[in-house]
Amino acid sequence: TQLLEQSPQFLSIQEGENLTVYCNSSSVFSSLQWYRQEPGEGPVLLVTVVTGGEVKKLKRLTFQFGDARKDSSLHITAAQPGDTGLYLCAGERSNTGKLIFGQGTTLQVKP
Amino acid sequence: GAVVSQHPSRVICKSGTSVKIECRSLDFQATTMFWYRQFPKQSLMLMATSNEGSKATYEQGVEKDKFLINHASLTLSTLTVTSAHPEDSSFYICSAGLHPYEQYFGPGTRLTVT
Repeated sequence: TQLLEQSPQFLSIQEGENLTVYCNSSSVFSSLQWYRQEPGEGPVLLVTVVTGGEVKKLKRLTFQFGDARKDSSLHITAAQPGDTGLYLCAGERSNTGKLIFGQGTTLQVKP
Repeated sequence: GAVVSQHPSRVICKSGTSVKIECRSLDFQATTMFWYRQFPKQSLMLMATSNEGSKATYEQGVEKDKFLINHASLTLSTLTVTSAHPEDSSFYICSAGLHPYEQYFGPGTRLTVT
């Protein structure tokens, strides 16, 4: 069974601070996706990483896929209150489109 | 990005009744869609893969006779929760994508069984 361990599960920081969220697995994924989910809504795709070692940037968010495609990280620079939300990583099984989700990280950014 | 819709957004039903949830890809065709459920303060769990023109495939532990899936067209998949019970109350979310590694999620359906 493929598992994806996401940490931390909860993070409360002050506006302007930096943070990193990690997703780790013992399994290899064909791709890894990061989502943000607001309460009562479906997850919204932020980015997909496919190649081992790949780094993608989305404004203040930096996503990295591990060389072995078993782990990934999300780094937010100078967090803002608008970044508050639930962040989910999801690994894709063998080009099937089936996603295994991490436990999620609830981020709270205080003004 | 691609747009996926779900209907209804919320439904309350009595124990023992059946509920149908629709998932539509609005601006693209999807031969495969996925159904997930999410309990409060938990992550998403894959329930089944909906395949257009063939039977759905279910994840281990998911009862296929309880959760009936029909992929009637390239833009529509339906999930029917049969003989619903309070423990079936959950947030049900579907996804579809143009590529396997770009899945877009619907807004979810909140099911409450009383």
